[in-house]
Order: sequence, then C-alpha cells, then structure tokens
Amino acid sequence: IAGITQAPTSQILAAGRRMTLRCTQDMRHNAMYWYRQDLGLGLRLIHYSNTAGTTGKGEVPDGYSVSRANTDDFPLTLASAVPSQTSVYFCASRADRNTGELFFGEGSRLTVL
Amino acid sequence: GEDVEQSLFLSVREGDSSVINCTYTDSSSTYLYWYKQEPGAGLQLLTYIFSNMDMKQDQRLTVLLNKKDKHLSLRIADTQTGDSAIYFCAESISNTGKLIFGQGTTLQVKP
Repeated sequence: IAGITQAPTSQILAAGRRMTLRCTQDMRHNAMYWYRQDLGLGLRLIHYSNTAGTTGKGEVPDGYSVSRANTDDFPLTLASAVPSQTSVYFCASRADRNTGELFFGEGSRLTVL
Repeated sequence: GEDVEQSLFLSVREGDSSVINCTYTDSSSTYLYWYKQEPGAGLQLLTYIFSNMDMKQDQRLTVLLNKKDKHLSLRIADTQTGDSAIYFCAESISNTGKLIFGQGTTLQVKP
C-alpha cells in the first residue's frame, strides 16, 4: 500500500541519548515534513524539505536535525534527547499537484525520561 | 508571523450542525485545509478551499472563507458520532512550501 511509513511506532528513551526517527514514502513526492503534536499546541513544524538535497527550519527546530539524501527518506535525529521532546512525531509528504495536500504517517510516540 | 488559531473544544448533539472556526495570518495563502485526526491515527485531509473561493460544499461539509478577516470555518451538517475527532485548520505559507497548523479542535458528538 502506497504511503508514508514511520519507525519506530513507539520508543522510550533516556535523556541524553541520540535517537533517529525514520520516515519513508513511496509516492515520489518532492516535499516532506516533520511535525510534533502536543496536547493543546496542535501540530508544530520542526523541519521540512522541499526537494531532495534541501532542508529548512520550521517553527520548533532546536534540538532536531534532518537530512534528505534522496526523495524517499527523511530521517529526524535528536542528537541528545531531553524530556521536553516527549511527543508524538508525524512525518508527512506533500502532493506535487496544485492543491498540495499533505499525506501523513501514523506517528511515532517518543517518551524521554 | 505565521499563526493559525482555533478553539480547542466543541460539543454538539448527534444530528445538530457543528461549526469549527479558524483564523490565520498569511493573507497570500493559496490553499487552506481542514484535516481530521481520529484517535491514535495520523491526519487525513478532509477538504480544502482555494483562496479565490468564498465557499465550498462537499456533501455534509461546507467551508466558508472570509479573506478580509482571515477567517475560515468548517460546518458539518447532521453531525454523527463517527464525526468525533480532532479537526485541524492549516494554511499554506506562500513561497516556502510550509504548511502551518492550528492547535486542533476536539469535536465531541453526544448521542
């Protein structure tokens, strides 16, 4: 089934550890995004990439890094996790047509202790 | 700056109409979107409206856009218990490729 695959689905992590959340899409969309979802704050954009080889900062980029080596993959790395990064993380890709709607993965729930 | 605002909670009775409101900041947004999130799932596109339209109707859904006031609303007619979910408004920030989301409105439908 075509779409966005995120891994892991859920992870508990000790503070200070490094963590990479994986995201793969098979729709050949150019643009991809990482959001975090927190209660009462909705979805906040962490980083995005308009095309392979380019990335940009969103609303809350601090403590996170991304890379976009190819069209399909867009991993999100927490270099040294902190408890405030406990959240549900959603990866999305954007359709290239004019309407430009996002297609979301199922989310990765991360708990930093 | 870029900001999208929504009220956090709405409760209606089954069969009533629901109206979820949203305000946004980027007057040059090309498209505005409504997404639905069911418990434990990702977001799915519900509907969208092009910025040169005032209204869009799609079965039970009606989207109204007031560009002057930068106000977007989603009306769900004959609300059902299956409509219970979180609804997110989003705007496309021109020339950046970014989509900015509101906080989400939790719709509770009582039988």
